[in-house]
Amino acid sequence: EAGVAQSPRYKIIEKRQSVAFWCNPISGHATLYWYQQILGQGPKLLIQFQNNGVVDDSQLPKDRFSAERLKGVDSTLKIQPAKLEDSAVYLCASSPPGVLDYEQYFGPGTRLTVT
Amino acid sequence: AQSVTQLDSHVSVSEGTPVLLRCNYSSSYSPSLFWYVQHPNKGLQLLLKYTSAATLVKGINGFEAEFKKSETSFHLTKPSAHMSDAAEYFCVVSDRNQAGTALIFGKGTTLSVSS
Repeated sequence: EAGVAQSPRYKIIEKRQSVAFWCNPISGHATLYWYQQILGQGPKLLIQFQNNGVVDDSQLPKDRFSAERLKGVDSTLKIQPAKLEDSAVYLCASSPPGVLDYEQYFGPGTRLTVT
Repeated sequence: AQSVTQLDSHVSVSEGTPVLLRCNYSSSYSPSLFWYVQHPNKGLQLLLKYTSAATLVKGINGFEAEFKKSETSFHLTKPSAHMSDAAEYFCVVSDRNQAGTALIFGKGTTLSVSS
């Protein structure tokens, strides 16, 4: 089966610019996650969707980050305006219905560099 | 709150020798624990998981881990390292709350394998 798709794979922007990342989960997966992985650290959950509703966004910096999952399939994560400390890899993951949420399948990530 | 501590940031072994990656966890209840592997420019892949069944868990590619409640440890081992095992390894604990399930990642251990 096709895996989790993400685009773009790489993005370089200047601080105060905006950027958007796209994720297409595995077909049929109800739960979708966005993680931020800063260099040298493990991934940190930013937001979790169940279908098109937000389950947990407690770690999302809402003053600059936003995410949506229209129609319960694809998702977009946006940063506006970007800061230097937002440089990281942004990972999308999904998990199927009917199993425990920890069985998450990860995409290859989008590497963001803010200059 | 749940947390994991990976005791080594970098482990170097020779091909054909045993691998030991150490992980301690902290949990207020019986945890679910995992090891994920991340190869360069590839997505995170689940190696194995512990979910309160057998304490010795076997995963893919010859890896296994033993859950030791008395030591709050979940170390990852492999009898004989292969060059293809060189990657970043993350110990992970699930954190169930009313909002859903988050994966809490350790900081990672870089495994280097020399010929």
